[in-house]
Amino acid sequence: KAGVTQTPRYLIKTRGQQVTLSCSPISGHRSVSWYQQTPGQGLQFLFEYFSETQRNKGNFPGRFSGRQFSNSRSEMNVSTLELGDSALYLCASSSGTGVDEQYFGPGTRLTVT
Amino acid sequence: GQQLNQSPQSMFIQEGEDVSMNCTSSSIFNTWLWYKQDPGEGPVLLIALYKAGELTSNGRLTAQFGITRKDSFLNISASIPRDVGIYFCAGPATLLNAGGTSYGKLTFGQGTILTVHP
Repeated sequence: KAGVTQTPRYLIKTRGQQVTLSCSPISGHRSVSWYQQTPGQGLQFLFEYFSETQRNKGNFPGRFSGRQFSNSRSEMNVSTLELGDSALYLCASSSGTGVDEQYFGPGTRLTVT
Repeated sequence: GQQLNQSPQSMFIQEGEDVSMNCTSSSIFNTWLWYKQDPGEGPVLLIALYKAGELTSNGRLTAQFGITRKDSFLNISASIPRDVGIYFCAGPATLLNAGGTSYGKLTFGQGTILTVHP
């Protein structure tokens, strides 16, 4: 079974721009969670999608948004980028039906200059 | 907010030594997960624990779900250079959001950085 894939792996953007990151979960998994990882804050939960619906959201500003498609693939978007948005963005896939195990992709390293 | 306290923060050991790390919480967890992260990669799930007192092994790794359900331990026996990385404990959030759910949210410890000298 293929694992979780994320594209692109690396991105460099300028302050004020917007960015879209993509995640394809493990086949058969319907839940996708997104996390931001920084050296100072560690792994922080952004949001979770299940069957195209956002079921949970972390404490991030509205500039961070996401969506999920009917094939369970998910995208997250960050608008009006700030320097502090530089981080490793990770998506995690799970069945979404009562099982807590999450399987992570390799991440997208976003650098904002 | 909900926090997991992981210790030690870092460890420097010689190849062949055993390693122990632990994770504690002020609230009860129903699941404990242990992950390893290599530089520039996503965390990889090592062991999942679902029952208080449970002891589970995965090769040279052994993890335990504490009886109080507020702690968990990970041991690595006979360490090798490939064990280098950051180890995280995690558990599903038990604090509900405003909508009354905690779907898909894991709370992570700060991580233990393991260095193994050949």
